[in-house]
Amino acid sequence: KQEVTQIPAALSVPEGENLVLNCSFTDSAIYNLQWFRQDPGKGLTSLLLIQSSQREQTSGRLNASLDKSSGRSTLYIAASQPGDSATYLCAAEAGSYQLTFGKGTKLSVIP
Amino acid sequence: DAEITQSPRHKITETGRQVTLACHQTWNHNNMFWYRQDLGHGLRLIHYSYGVQDTNKGEVSDGYSVSRSNTEDLPLTLESAASSQTSVYFCASSDRRGGGETQYFGPGTRLLVL
Repeated sequence: KQEVTQIPAALSVPEGENLVLNCSFTDSAIYNLQWFRQDPGKGLTSLLLIQSSQREQTSGRLNASLDKSSGRSTLYIAASQPGDSATYLCAAEAGSYQLTFGKGTKLSVIP
Repeated sequence: DAEITQSPRHKITETGRQVTLACHQTWNHNNMFWYRQDLGHGLRLIHYSYGVQDTNKGEVSDGYSVSRSNTEDLPLTLESAASSQTSVYFCASSDRRGGGETQYFGPGTRLLVL
């Protein structure tokens, strides 16, 4: 059974800092790895999707990497802003469209 | 714009009552999913559907049922609500391979079972 872990559970950084969020998964036979953002009281918004054949994906200030062999993915946020404050979730898909989620990292960016 | 909506957004019910949560998507996606989100557990899959008349059990399906009579809707029914089913419920949809696998989520339904 796939297990997805995100460390740390919470992170507080000053505005402008670059930061890395970590995600690990136990079964490397994944189809893709997805990163989502969740604001308080809201649904999830997709940020980046990395196919198993890819090493990384970029969108604006966000860069996600995938290392299947080690069972790890990272989300890099450059020049953090207060508007980046949210909970970030990673999810692994095994090939049946079903996602296994980590519990998330709650990010606070302090002005 | 295409979207996915859930109703009601908030619901209070009593133990033993039947409750149905609605999910409607205008993406014309084949795949639809129901998750529950609880502190300490994250998001867990309840049921999912790959198309009309198709339904499948997820990780935490006991006490829940779904039906898919058209592409747009996947209602979730709690047959006899229990306090353990107090949670936030999210519906999601995605397309087939080649059409984009990203899941699009609804805003959630907050359910309280007293």
